[in-house]
Amino acid sequence: AQSVAQPEDQVNVAEGNPLTVKCTYSVSGNPYLFWYVQYPNRGLQFLLKYITGDNLVKGSYGFEAEFNKSQTSFHLKKPSALVSDSALYFCAVRDGAGNMLTFGGGTRLMVKP
Amino acid sequence: DAGVTQSPTHLIKTRGQHVTLRCSPISGHKSVSWYQQVLGQGPQFIFQYYEKEERGRGNFPDRFSARQFPNYSSELNVNALLLGDSALYLCASRQGGNNEQFFGPGTRLTVL
Repeated sequence: AQSVAQPEDQVNVAEGNPLTVKCTYSVSGNPYLFWYVQYPNRGLQFLLKYITGDNLVKGSYGFEAEFNKSQTSFHLKKPSALVSDSALYFCAVRDGAGNMLTFGGGTRLMVKP
Repeated sequence: DAGVTQSPTHLIKTRGQHVTLRCSPISGHKSVSWYQQVLGQGPQFIFQYYEKEERGRGNFPDRFSARQFPNYSSELNVNALLLGDSALYLCASRQGGNNEQFFGPGTRLTVL
């Protein structure tokens, strides 16, 4: 069975500083990895995905993620945080058949001015 | 193009009742999935439909059922509602292949 772990319930960062939101995964076969963001009372917005290729994936709103196969990690990063980045972030892994996403428990990012 | 749409936005039911939630995918998307998100948790997969056929089912009881129509819209039905069914129900559509899923705004169901 596939699984995703987001070890931090909350990450606090000052505006302008770099941010990292951690994610580790477990899946048989090749991983298909995704990051989504959720604002209050809203659905999930797609940020970026890793299917194959370069280990550094660039996505929306200046976010990027680094895939590390040996550490089974897919950490989300941004060089300079904005207050508007404050939201709930979910990492997810998809099975090879594409039938389901398995999500982590989410990490709340708080960016303070 | 419009995104994934869901109706209703909010719903309040009492225990034992039945509920139907509706979802319209992005135009051209033939795959629709349903997820349940309990407050404070990540979404949990319920169903996936592709071309009107069930392609995946999560660990949910038989009280949960779904279907997909010829126009690729979908309904999620929940019978004999329990307090624990209170959650945000999310619908997502996908074009297929390795493309990402796009989520709708969700239906917030409250069971009293």
